[in-house]
Amino acid sequence: AQSVTQPDIHITVSEGASLELRCNYSYGATPYLFWYVQSPGQGLQLLLKYFSGDTLVQGIKGFEAEFKRSQSSFNLRKPSVHWSDAAEYFCAVGEGNNDMRFGAGTRLTVKP
Amino acid sequence: DGGITQSPKYLFRKEGQNVTLSCEQNLNHDAMYWYRQDPGQGLRLIYYSQIVNDFQKGDIAEGYSVSREKKESFPLTVTSAQKNPTAFYLCASSIGTGGDEQYFGPGTRLTVT
Repeated sequence: AQSVTQPDIHITVSEGASLELRCNYSYGATPYLFWYVQSPGQGLQLLLKYFSGDTLVQGIKGFEAEFKRSQSSFNLRKPSVHWSDAAEYFCAVGEGNNDMRFGAGTRLTVKP
Repeated sequence: DGGITQSPKYLFRKEGQNVTLSCEQNLNHDAMYWYRQDPGQGLRLIYYSQIVNDFQKGDIAEGYSVSREKKESFPLTVTSAQKNPTAFYLCASSIGTGGDEQYFGPGTRLTVT
């Protein structure tokens, strides 16, 4: 069955520190991969997506993610976190005509 | 501006009443979705529609109903059969399904007492 796992429920980092949010998926073929961000009480905004090609994908707000087929992972990274990055982050996976599957989310807290 | 609108932002109902949540998009997308979000559980798919006059159940369709009479509209009715209706509801749309990016509305927080 298709599944998406975000192992970290909550992460706290200091402002200016680097960030990595983990995402693992279980899919039969090469999926389409997404990272979304959600501020409290708001909808989701797309940060970046991977369909094919270069496995390192650049997104908005200085985020990037790397697709590693051998590890079934699509981790999100940012070199230097800003206080405004505090939010909930969702990894999602889609495949063909199937509906998209979302992970449970990782809540990011940024310490001053 | 193109986008998805959901109304109202907050909705309060008494137990036993049906309530309909609105979702409209002007992106000319074929596919539309309804998700329920509860703390710590991420997004769970309630219903989705790939085309007008057609829709499919998602993972948690019991107690919900939808219609898709127009391309731009996909209202969700939370019926009295839904045992725990209090939640944050998100509507989304995409050009197609599966591999296409989904665009989200701002959500409706429903509280049933």
